[in-house]
Amino acid sequence: DAKTTQPTSMDCAEGRAANLPCNHSTISGNEYVYWYRQIHSQGPQYIIHGLKNNETNEMASLIITEDRKSSTLILPHATLRDTAVYYCIVTNYGGATNKLIFGTGTLLAVQP
Amino acid sequence: GAVVSQHPSWVICKSGTSVKIECRSLDFQATTMFWYRQFPKQSLMLMATSNEGSKATYEQGVEKDKFLINHASLTLSTLTVTSAHPEDSSFYICSAYGQGLDGYTFGSGTRLTVV
Repeated sequence: DAKTTQPTSMDCAEGRAANLPCNHSTISGNEYVYWYRQIHSQGPQYIIHGLKNNETNEMASLIITEDRKSSTLILPHATLRDTAVYYCIVTNYGGATNKLIFGTGTLLAVQP
Repeated sequence: GAVVSQHPSWVICKSGTSVKIECRSLDFQATTMFWYRQFPKQSLMLMATSNEGSKATYEQGVEKDKFLINHASLTLSTLTVTSAHPEDSSFYICSAYGQGLDGYTFGSGTRLTVV
């Protein structure tokens, strides 16, 4: 699986958009970009995933660069409840061989 | 959406005893389950992968005789920490893969404290 690089921490003001970057320069053609978040002492929560097109759901938007070497997760209107560690993971999806290997993630602190 | 129920949410046990953690997929069939361990202020570390009806595959450095994994049905996987010691105290989390779902679904985690 390709390795990802994320900033250790970020701050965001409540109500503003939070933009979380991720570098995955060694991603291969059939690997997806997944985003999960972990609120303190809970299991990770799926946010969104994409292959090459930009994606949007009720939680967030995912912008993937054309060369697929980096991506940005956008939380459009951050709230205090969005404070969590956000993990960007690159993997094929599905089955025993396609594990989710977690890096260190980005601690997003939403400030009032 | 897909739900994985993990029990217990926390457990305290004496050193030398065994503890069993259960993960159930409530509304989908989990052909594969993954078990993770997380120490304070660290990321999740994959321990093992289990497929229904097969022996689990352990990551390098994880003792298979200490962390027994059973995946006897498509909705249940268990992790048993045998002869637990204080260094086994950690947050254990399961994750399940179900066909057709958007992503892997995680349990809520089990906080194990060995005293």
